[in-house]
Amino acid sequence: GESVGLHLPTLSVQEGDNSIINCAYSNSASDYFIWYKQESGKGPQFIIDIRSNMDKRQGQRVTVLLNKTVKHLSLQIAATQPGDSAVYFCAENRRSGAGSYQLTFGKGTKLSVIP
Amino acid sequence: GAGVSQSPSNKVTEKGKDVELRCDPISGHTALYWYRQSLGQGLEFLIYFQGNSAPDKSGLPSDRFSAERTGGSVSTLTIQRTQQEDSAVYLCASSQRTGGRFGNQPQHFGDGTRLSIL
Repeated sequence: GESVGLHLPTLSVQEGDNSIINCAYSNSASDYFIWYKQESGKGPQFIIDIRSNMDKRQGQRVTVLLNKTVKHLSLQIAATQPGDSAVYFCAENRRSGAGSYQLTFGKGTKLSVIP
Repeated sequence: GAGVSQSPSNKVTEKGKDVELRCDPISGHTALYWYRQSLGQGLEFLIYFQGNSAPDKSGLPSDRFSAERTGGSVSTLTIQRTQQEDSAVYLCASSQRTGGRFGNQPQHFGDGTRLSIL
């Protein structure tokens, strides 16, 4: 079936290094993707989004890459800091059975930053 | 505050009781969503409200779950005759608008209600 998933459930990175979190999606009709960060006891926090008419989008220390050919999404975090430790979710926007659009989330990747 | 507000932050109740969870979206956001997150899992869509349109209830797991959105703002998620499998964090999100090609806006989440059924 259609799904959003993650290649790596956990990722440990040395402070100062770059982090790359990957996500695969299977619905070629999805046209909008979002990365969220969730810290323990908190709700998901918006990081960056990208629409399907783009391949790359940059924010502050973060870059999202979209490869529609292989249906792959990645989040790159530059100079990873301890405060980046969290679970990261990708989400795709796709049409629900009731005819509206909704976000479907992957299970998440836990990023641990080693000081 | 400026963000999505949910209450209570924690709720412990006995199996079989009814519970009501409240969500105050960001002012001006017309779309409101409820999700459920079980321990270590991703977010499971429950229901979505957009303006005055009929809600999308396609994610509700059973008829024990219902939600209302009064006046296009505050929403209440009700779970009747709670079961232990209902234990989870219930998250609410809002956005400016939704739907359609390239017409999407990111959803902004509250910190959730942690529901524990004894």
